[in-house]
Amino acid sequence: DAGVTQSPTHLIKTRGQHVTLRCSPISGHKSVSWYQQVLGQGPQFIFQYYEKEERGRGNFPDRFSARQFPNYSSELNVNALLLGDSALYLCASSFRTGPYGYTFGSGTRLTVV
Amino acid sequence: QQQVKQSPQSLIVQKGGISIINCAYENTAFDYFPWYQQFPGKGPALLIAIRPDVSEKKEGRFTISFNKSAKQFSLHIMDSQPGDSATYFCAASMEGSNTGKLIFGQGTTLQVKP
Repeated sequence: DAGVTQSPTHLIKTRGQHVTLRCSPISGHKSVSWYQQVLGQGPQFIFQYYEKEERGRGNFPDRFSARQFPNYSSELNVNALLLGDSALYLCASSFRTGPYGYTFGSGTRLTVV
Repeated sequence: QQQVKQSPQSLIVQKGGISIINCAYENTAFDYFPWYQQFPGKGPALLIAIRPDVSEKKEGRFTISFNKSAKQFSLHIMDSQPGDSATYFCAASMEGSNTGKLIFGQGTTLQVKP
């Protein structure tokens, strides 16, 4: 079975630009969560979506937004990129809402220059 | 109150030894405590998790010890192997919030020497 798939794997953007990151969950998983992992730190929660509805939001500015599609895949959008947005963005899927049974993808490495 | 403090930042253990990583929390509403293992270039993978009604949980060579009164929990890796070399994260969550939010510690980089 395919695991959690994230694309692209690496991305370089310029300050002020917009970026869209994509995530395909494990088949049968209805929940997708997004985390930001800055180098040398633990992941920080951004969003959780379940059945296309936002179920949780972390302490991130409104420049960060996400959505979940009918096939349960998800997009994370970041507007007006800042240098501090450079990080590994992780997607995790699970059967249900809540923090259980996460399977993480390998992430998208975003570099803002 | 939302933080999870993890120590040590790095750890070097000889093959066959015991690796011990500690975490502390303040928020008594936390009720789910998982540990994740992350290899370079990969996302974190769930190792083992515990709830506060249990003082210890063992899965293979991995054991979580939980001290509710001290608000501390730890991961013990018995018979550590070079393949265990990775970064380990503790985390905590409030089950009742149902938001999916896990609060991670800063991570511990473990090196197991052959």
